[in-house]
Amino acid sequence: DAGITQSPRYKITETGRQVTLMCHQTWSHSYMFWYRQDLGHGLRLIYYSAAADITDKGEVPDGYVVSRSKTENFPLTLESATRSQTSVYFCASSWGPTDTQYFGPGTRLTVL
Amino acid sequence: GQQLNQSPQSMFIQEGEDVSMNCTSSSIFNTWLWYKQDPGEGPVLLIALYKAGELTSNGRLTAQFGITRKDSFLNISASIPSDVGIYFCAGHNAGNMLTFGGGTRLMVKP
Repeated sequence: DAGITQSPRYKITETGRQVTLMCHQTWSHSYMFWYRQDLGHGLRLIYYSAAADITDKGEVPDGYVVSRSKTENFPLTLESATRSQTSVYFCASSWGPTDTQYFGPGTRLTVL
Repeated sequence: GQQLNQSPQSMFIQEGEDVSMNCTSSSIFNTWLWYKQDPGEGPVLLIALYKAGELTSNGRLTAQFGITRKDSFLNISASIPSDVGIYFCAGHNAGNMLTFGGGTRLMVKP
Protein backbone atom coordinates (compact mmCIF):
# COMPACT_ATOMS: atom_id res chain seq x y z
CA ASP A 1 0.00 0.00 0.00
CA ALA A 2 1.17 3.53 -0.73
CA GLY A 3 2.09 5.73 2.18
CA ILE A 4 4.60 6.07 4.94
CA THR A 5 5.21 3.30 7.42
CA GLN A 6 7.31 2.93 10.55
CA SER A 7 8.60 -0.13 12.34
CA PRO A 8 8.51 -1.27 14.98
CA ARG A 9 5.44 0.47 16.41
CA TYR A 10 6.56 -0.27 19.96
CA LYS A 11 10.03 -0.99 21.33
CA ILE A 12 11.39 -1.51 24.81
CA THR A 13 15.15 -1.54 25.22
CA GLU A 14 17.79 -1.07 27.87
CA THR A 15 20.23 1.75 28.46
CA GLY A 16 23.34 1.37 26.35
CA ARG A 17 21.81 -0.80 23.64
CA GLN A 18 21.72 0.15 19.99
CA VAL A 19 18.27 0.60 18.49
CA THR A 20 17.25 1.29 14.91
CA LEU A 21 13.87 2.69 13.96
CA MET A 22 12.79 2.18 10.37
CA CYS A 23 10.87 4.50 8.08
CA HIS A 24 9.68 3.69 4.56
CA GLN A 25 7.71 5.83 2.11
CA THR A 26 6.30 4.89 -1.27
CA TRP A 27 5.72 8.36 -2.76
CA SER A 28 9.33 8.94 -3.86
CA HIS A 29 9.33 12.12 -1.77
CA SER A 30 12.70 13.85 -1.77
CA TYR A 31 12.58 15.02 1.82
CA MET A 32 12.32 12.83 4.88
CA PHE A 33 12.31 13.85 8.53
CA TRP A 34 12.60 12.37 11.99
CA TYR A 35 10.84 14.03 14.94
CA ARG A 36 10.48 13.13 18.56
CA GLN A 37 7.36 13.98 20.52
CA ASP A 38 7.55 14.64 24.24
CA LEU A 39 4.95 16.04 26.57
CA GLY A 40 5.10 19.82 26.61
CA HIS A 41 7.54 20.03 23.69
CA GLY A 42 5.38 19.24 20.70
CA LEU A 43 7.41 17.72 17.89
CA ARG A 44 11.12 18.47 17.64
CA LEU A 45 13.17 17.78 14.57
CA ILE A 46 16.04 15.34 15.05
CA TYR A 47 17.42 14.93 11.52
CA TYR A 48 16.22 15.44 8.00
CA SER A 49 17.29 14.40 4.53
CA ALA A 50 16.89 16.30 1.28
CA ALA A 51 17.71 13.32 -0.92
CA ALA A 52 19.55 10.02 -0.90
CA ASP A 53 22.95 10.40 0.74
CA ILE A 54 22.14 13.95 1.94
CA THR A 55 21.31 14.39 5.61
CA ASP A 56 21.41 17.28 8.05
CA LYS A 57 20.90 17.94 11.73
CA GLY A 58 17.72 19.32 13.18
CA GLU A 59 17.04 20.83 16.56
CA VAL A 60 17.91 17.82 18.75
CA PRO A 61 20.40 15.54 16.89
CA ASP A 62 22.68 14.46 19.77
CA GLY A 63 22.68 10.72 20.39
CA TYR A 64 21.14 9.87 17.01
CA VAL A 65 22.53 8.75 13.66
CA VAL A 66 20.74 8.61 10.32
CA SER A 67 21.46 7.33 6.86
CA ARG A 68 19.68 7.43 3.55
CA SER A 69 21.10 5.07 1.00
CA LYS A 70 17.77 4.78 -0.82
CA THR A 71 15.16 7.48 -1.42
CA GLU A 72 12.38 5.46 0.18
CA ASN A 73 14.11 4.55 3.45
CA PHE A 74 15.36 6.73 6.29
CA PRO A 75 16.42 4.71 9.34
CA LEU A 76 17.15 6.38 12.68
CA THR A 77 19.71 4.74 14.98
CA LEU A 78 20.28 5.32 18.65
CA GLU A 79 23.83 4.06 19.03
CA SER A 80 23.72 3.82 22.83
CA ALA A 81 20.21 4.41 24.10
CA THR A 82 19.63 6.58 27.18
CA ARG A 83 16.52 7.01 29.32
CA SER A 84 16.13 10.56 28.04
CA GLN A 85 15.51 9.09 24.59
CA THR A 86 12.28 7.50 25.77
CA SER A 87 9.79 9.18 23.46
CA VAL A 88 7.45 8.75 20.53
CA TYR A 89 9.30 9.03 17.24
CA PHE A 90 7.64 10.17 14.04
CA CYS A 91 8.95 9.95 10.53
CA ALA A 92 7.58 12.27 7.85
CA SER A 93 8.17 12.91 4.16
CA SER A 94 7.47 15.68 1.66
CA TRP A 95 8.31 16.75 -1.87
CA GLY A 96 10.16 19.87 -0.80
CA PRO A 97 11.32 21.50 2.47
CA THR A 98 8.19 23.64 2.81
CA ASP A 99 5.68 21.29 1.20
CA THR A 100 3.10 19.39 3.20
CA GLN A 101 4.70 16.77 5.38
CA TYR A 102 2.99 13.40 5.69
CA PHE A 103 3.60 11.59 8.94
CA GLY A 104 3.96 7.93 9.76
CA PRO A 105 2.05 6.34 12.66
CA GLY A 106 4.96 6.68 15.08
CA THR A 107 7.20 4.39 17.14
CA ARG A 108 6.84 4.43 20.90
CA LEU A 109 10.30 3.77 22.36
CA THR A 110 10.93 3.06 26.03
CA VAL A 111 14.48 2.93 27.34
CA LEU A 112 14.77 1.24 30.73
CA GLY B 1 15.76 27.58 18.02
CA GLN B 2 12.54 29.28 17.09
CA GLN B 3 9.66 29.03 19.49
CA LEU B 4 5.99 28.70 18.75
CA ASN B 5 3.84 29.33 21.80
CA GLN B 6 0.55 27.54 21.52
CA SER B 7 -2.38 28.06 23.86
CA PRO B 8 -4.27 26.78 25.61
CA GLN B 9 -2.35 23.60 26.44
CA SER B 10 -5.60 21.73 26.98
CA MET B 11 -9.34 22.28 26.73
CA PHE B 12 -12.27 20.29 28.06
CA ILE B 13 -15.50 21.37 26.43
CA GLN B 14 -19.09 20.29 25.97
CA GLU B 15 -20.19 18.85 22.65
CA GLY B 16 -21.64 21.61 20.47
CA GLU B 17 -19.42 24.36 21.84
CA ASP B 18 -17.06 26.37 19.68
CA VAL B 19 -13.30 26.09 20.25
CA SER B 20 -10.55 28.61 19.70
CA MET B 21 -6.81 28.10 19.98
CA ASN B 22 -3.87 30.20 18.88
CA CYS B 23 -0.18 30.21 18.21
CA THR B 24 2.27 33.08 18.56
CA SER B 25 5.92 33.59 17.78
CA SER B 26 8.57 36.25 18.16
CA SER B 27 9.68 35.50 14.58
CA ILE B 28 7.97 36.01 11.26
CA PHE B 29 6.70 32.92 9.47
CA ASN B 30 5.97 32.52 5.76
CA THR B 31 3.46 29.73 6.20
CA TRP B 32 1.28 28.56 9.03
CA LEU B 33 -0.05 25.04 9.26
CA TRP B 34 -2.51 23.35 11.57
CA TYR B 35 -2.27 19.62 12.23
CA LYS B 36 -4.44 17.24 14.21
CA GLN B 37 -3.13 14.12 15.92
CA ASP B 38 -5.54 11.36 16.84
CA PRO B 39 -4.51 9.03 19.68
CA GLY B 40 -1.89 6.54 18.53
CA GLU B 41 -1.47 8.18 15.13
CA GLY B 42 0.79 10.68 13.42
CA PRO B 43 -0.28 14.30 12.81
CA VAL B 44 -2.48 14.99 9.80
CA LEU B 45 -2.62 18.35 8.05
CA LEU B 46 -5.92 20.22 8.51
CA ILE B 47 -5.28 23.66 7.04
CA ALA B 48 -2.36 25.43 5.39
CA LEU B 49 -2.04 29.23 5.26
CA TYR B 50 0.35 31.01 2.91
CA LYS B 51 -0.42 34.74 3.04
CA ALA B 52 -0.69 37.27 5.86
CA GLY B 53 -4.34 37.92 6.62
CA GLU B 54 -5.49 34.76 4.86
CA LEU B 55 -8.62 33.17 6.32
CA THR B 56 -9.25 29.58 5.27
CA SER B 57 -11.99 27.12 6.17
CA ASN B 58 -12.15 23.34 6.05
CA GLY B 59 -15.64 22.23 7.08
CA ARG B 60 -16.18 23.34 10.68
CA LEU B 61 -12.57 24.48 10.98
CA THR B 62 -11.40 28.00 10.24
CA ALA B 63 -7.84 29.26 10.50
CA GLN B 64 -6.23 32.64 9.96
CA PHE B 65 -2.72 33.80 9.21
CA GLY B 66 -2.08 36.86 11.36
CA ILE B 67 -1.38 40.21 9.74
CA THR B 68 1.93 40.55 11.59
CA ARG B 69 2.91 37.06 10.33
CA LYS B 70 3.77 36.19 13.92
CA ASP B 71 0.54 34.48 14.89
CA SER B 72 -2.28 32.24 13.75
CA PHE B 73 -5.48 30.93 15.21
CA LEU B 74 -7.74 27.94 14.67
CA ASN B 75 -11.46 27.85 15.40
CA ILE B 76 -13.64 24.77 15.50
CA SER B 77 -17.37 25.37 15.42
CA ALA B 78 -20.02 23.12 16.95
CA SER B 79 -17.55 20.55 18.33
CA ILE B 80 -18.32 16.85 18.13
CA PRO B 81 -16.73 13.90 19.98
CA SER B 82 -14.47 12.98 17.05
CA ASP B 83 -12.77 16.38 17.35
CA VAL B 84 -10.89 14.92 20.32
CA GLY B 85 -7.15 14.92 19.80
CA ILE B 86 -4.07 17.11 19.91
CA TYR B 87 -3.95 20.12 17.60
CA PHE B 88 -0.57 21.48 16.58
CA CYS B 89 0.31 24.71 14.90
CA ALA B 90 3.45 24.74 12.80
CA GLY B 91 5.27 27.29 10.71
CA HIS B 92 7.93 27.67 8.08
CA ASN B 93 10.43 30.50 8.13
CA ALA B 94 12.45 31.08 4.96
CA GLY B 95 15.25 28.53 4.81
CA ASN B 96 14.16 26.74 7.98
CA MET B 97 12.51 23.45 8.58
CA LEU B 98 9.03 23.17 10.07
CA THR B 99 8.71 24.36 13.68
CA PHE B 100 5.87 23.00 15.84
CA GLY B 101 3.99 24.48 18.75
CA GLY B 102 3.55 22.47 21.93
CA GLY B 103 0.03 21.35 21.02
CA THR B 104 -3.48 21.86 22.39
CA ARG B 105 -5.15 18.76 23.78
CA LEU B 106 -8.87 18.91 23.12
CA MET B 107 -11.35 16.81 25.05
CA VAL B 108 -15.06 16.86 24.18
CA LYS B 109 -17.75 15.75 26.60
CA PRO B 110 -20.77 14.24 24.82
